[in-house]
Amino acid sequence: TQTVSQSDAHVTVFEGDSVELRCNYSYGGSIYLSWYIQHHGHGLQFLLKYYSGNPVVQGVNGFEAEFSKSDSSFHLRKASVHWSDSAVYFCAVRPSSGQKLVFGQGTILKVYL
Amino acid sequence: AQTIHQWPVAEIKAVGSPLSLGCTIKGKSSPNLYWYWQATGGTLQQLFYSITVGQVESVVQLNLSASRPKDDQFILSTEKLLLSHSGFYLCAWIDSSQNTLYFGAGTRLSVL
Repeated sequence: TQTVSQSDAHVTVFEGDSVELRCNYSYGGSIYLSWYIQHHGHGLQFLLKYYSGNPVVQGVNGFEAEFSKSDSSFHLRKASVHWSDSAVYFCAVRPSSGQKLVFGQGTILKVYL
Repeated sequence: AQTIHQWPVAEIKAVGSPLSLGCTIKGKSSPNLYWYWQATGGTLQQLFYSITVGQVESVVQLNLSASRPKDDQFILSTEKLLLSHSGFYLCAWIDSSQNTLYFGAGTRLSVL
């Protein structure tokens, strides 16, 4: 059974700050890792994903994430946040051979001006 | 381009009443489709998935059922709503080549 843990329920930063949202997973096999963003009252939008190759992947709007097999992590980063980045961010794991996508608990990012 | 449409946008229903939520995908043939439920302020729980017309797999039991009557349509329903059914219901399809889920705008359900 795969599990996903996002240890920070809330992260608060100021516009222009850098931010890292943490994601750790537990699964023994081959998996897809991804990040999604949810603005209040809306559906989720895809940010980026990783399956293999370069452990640092680039996504939309300046986001990037780094995969670490040794740490079982897939942390999301942005060098300079904008107030419009305020949203809930979800990390997700899907086995490469399965249909079940498991989401983390979500991290609420608040960006102050 | 593919589009995904959910209806209704929101529902307020009484406990014990029936429910039917719909999801339509346009521009994609034979999509893999998913229903997710999200409690207020919570994470997403996968409810059902469907790979083809007429076939639906249940992931978690929440006194809900799902059907796929057409290639581009996915329906979530129940005959008797519970208070615990309140939340945000999201339909999604997956682009398997990209391993990317695309979500609808969701349906907000309040059960009173």
